[in-house]
Amino acid sequence: EDQVTQSPEALRLQEGESSSLNCSYTVSGLRGLFWYRQDPGKGPEFLFTLYSAGEEKEKERLKATLTKKESFLHITAPKPEDSATYLCAVQEGFRGPTGANNLFFGTGTRLTVIP
Amino acid sequence: EAGVAQSPRYKIIEKRQSVAFWCNPISGHATLYWYQQILGQGPKLLIQFQNNGVVDDSQLPKDRFSAERLKGVDSTLKIQPAKLEDSAVYLCASSLGGLTDTQYFGPGTRLTVL
Repeated sequence: EDQVTQSPEALRLQEGESSSLNCSYTVSGLRGLFWYRQDPGKGPEFLFTLYSAGEEKEKERLKATLTKKESFLHITAPKPEDSATYLCAVQEGFRGPTGANNLFFGTGTRLTVIP
Repeated sequence: EAGVAQSPRYKIIEKRQSVAFWCNPISGHATLYWYQQILGQGPKLLIQFQNNGVVDDSQLPKDRFSAERLKGVDSTLKIQPAKLEDSAVYLCASSLGGLTDTQYFGPGTRLTVL
């Protein structure tokens, strides 16, 4: 069964204090790994998709990396507006005859950046 | 470009009552998903539509949950009768439908069952 584990569950950082969030996964062939940001009371907002080990993507203060077993979301010099829950999700390689595209989500890391 | 629209945003019902949620996906998106997100957890897929056909409903509790997507655009998710454990946020997402397509989520409907 596909599994996605995120750590830590919660993280408090001072503004400007860089850190990393971890997403480890087990899946029968990875088709894509997705990072989303979710603010309280809102739906997940898409950040990145990574497809193969060694791939990296950046957006402002965020950088996502991927290995064969895990992904990291690096946050450089965070600001209070980066406070949110960060969700990791995997899409398995075998879609089956129906072409199912579902994402398997982790439980998220709740990030708080203190001014 | 308009995002995924959902209504209502909040709903409070008594157990054993019925409730329905509505979703309008991003224009042109062929694939539509309904997810359930329980507090403190990640979203869990309930059903996936490709146009107006069901692709995957293996996680949908079919004794009480039903969903339809008429004309391949809007979709409704219904719960009848509701149980206490159905309290959650119900998220609708849509995507173009390619091999590794990105899913875009709506704001969700927060359901409280008393």
